[in-house]
Amino acid sequence: NAGVTQTPKFRVLKTGQSMTLLCAQDMNHEYMYWYRQDPGMGLRLIHYSVGEGTTAKGEVPDGYNVSRLKKQNFLLGLESAAPSQTSVYFCASSIGGLSTEAFFGQGTRLTVV
Amino acid sequence: DQQVKQNSPSLSVQEGRISILNCDYTNSMFDYFLWYKKYPAEGPTFLISISSIKDKNEDGRFTVFLNKSAKHLSLHIVPSQPGDSAVYFCSPSSSNTGKLIFGQGTTLQVKP
Repeated sequence: NAGVTQTPKFRVLKTGQSMTLLCAQDMNHEYMYWYRQDPGMGLRLIHYSVGEGTTAKGEVPDGYNVSRLKKQNFLLGLESAAPSQTSVYFCASSIGGLSTEAFFGQGTRLTVV
Repeated sequence: DQQVKQNSPSLSVQEGRISILNCDYTNSMFDYFLWYKKYPAEGPTFLISISSIKDKNEDGRFTVFLNKSAKHLSLHIVPSQPGDSAVYFCSPSSSNTGKLIFGQGTTLQVKP
């Protein structure tokens, strides 16, 4: 059982380049989330989705776009990467509802030079 | 507008002693609280949770206490073990939103 899988695990981008991070879950979860983790800042929510075809902004959405065309996939796009987007990105999913725990992927380490 | 704060970035304790990690929140609409544990190069994993209708929840060596009037919760680990060395995140949630937010995290080091 794979759980939550993030692709790629590492990436180096040049400023201005674009890329898409893929998150796939095989647990039939309704809710999916994208976070970035920076030193001293904890996990900050970028965008989230409460179901197929829906997306919503989180705490730090600027510079990112997302899509949830299929229930099992949640894509995070950077249209024009900036050094400030150098971070570790985590995807998570949950059944949804108040008391349910989230399951996380292993993370993607992105460096923008 | 930081709704959840973990004001201690790091904590160091001796093996066998108690570790106490704290979390403060501002939004009175939060009615469920989860703690996650994160090892380096891994994603966070769920540790323990508490509903706002309770003031204590215990699971083995881990106990979470909730003080609603003070909007404060704490995670107690006793006895602490070297394998508990990790980053701990507090995560509050409410029934009327799909958002899942986290505090800044506290790095716990348990020394043998």
